[in-house]
Amino acid sequence: DSGVTQTPKHLITATGQRVTLRCSPRSGDLSVYWYQQSLDQGLQFLIQYYNGEERAKGNILERFSAQQFPDLHSELNLSSLELGDSALYFCASSAGYNEQFFGPGTRLTVL
Amino acid sequence: QQQVKQSPQSLIVQKGGISIINCAYENTAFDYFPWYQQFPGKGPALLIAIRPDVSEKKEGRFTISFNKSAKQFSLHIMDSQPGDSATYFCAASVKTSYDKVIFGPGTSLSVIP
Repeated sequence: DSGVTQTPKHLITATGQRVTLRCSPRSGDLSVYWYQQSLDQGLQFLIQYYNGEERAKGNILERFSAQQFPDLHSELNLSSLELGDSALYFCASSAGYNEQFFGPGTRLTVL
Repeated sequence: QQQVKQSPQSLIVQKGGISIINCAYENTAFDYFPWYQQFPGKGPALLIAIRPDVSEKKEGRFTISFNKSAKQFSLHIMDSQPGDSATYFCAASVKTSYDKVIFGPGTSLSVIP
């Protein structure tokens, strides 16, 4: 158990809908990262927050947004969902630039 | 250049054999090189990591070899077991204002009995 929690584990929705994925980092970790992993694909970095502030952006679509709250949990919002958004979404947290601790992921299925 | 290259994309090894995965980077500022192991349906987990001031690090059956001049590093899995079957990601990072980690594309390892 990495100490990072993600909810929900599974999410099934329809095209055009909006969903919110939630992540709670390890206690004390200030950095939260979001990744997308499609079937048989690598980890695509989406966005990073550090202590409530956006720090880095990767290949994140404009339909996607994220935020980190004062209690350090983070939410990833996906809107106007398309079939191609079906993937595993991982959250990771870290205390610095070394090890990232990954959550169990949220499997999103867009029908 | 922020990219980390990784090869092979997939690897099949017989039980008891040696699995070797190679990675290369461009940015000489990288100073931390971790390897992550991911089982199907699970999140990646740190396996072993190395800093560029050493050329080799061993933890059990897993060894990282690091060649700073060639900007390459590799993971060796000795006496590979079916339980090692997973996807392996190399990564590189550098202390910046935002602590970003760059992942390689991953290698799918299958260890067959």
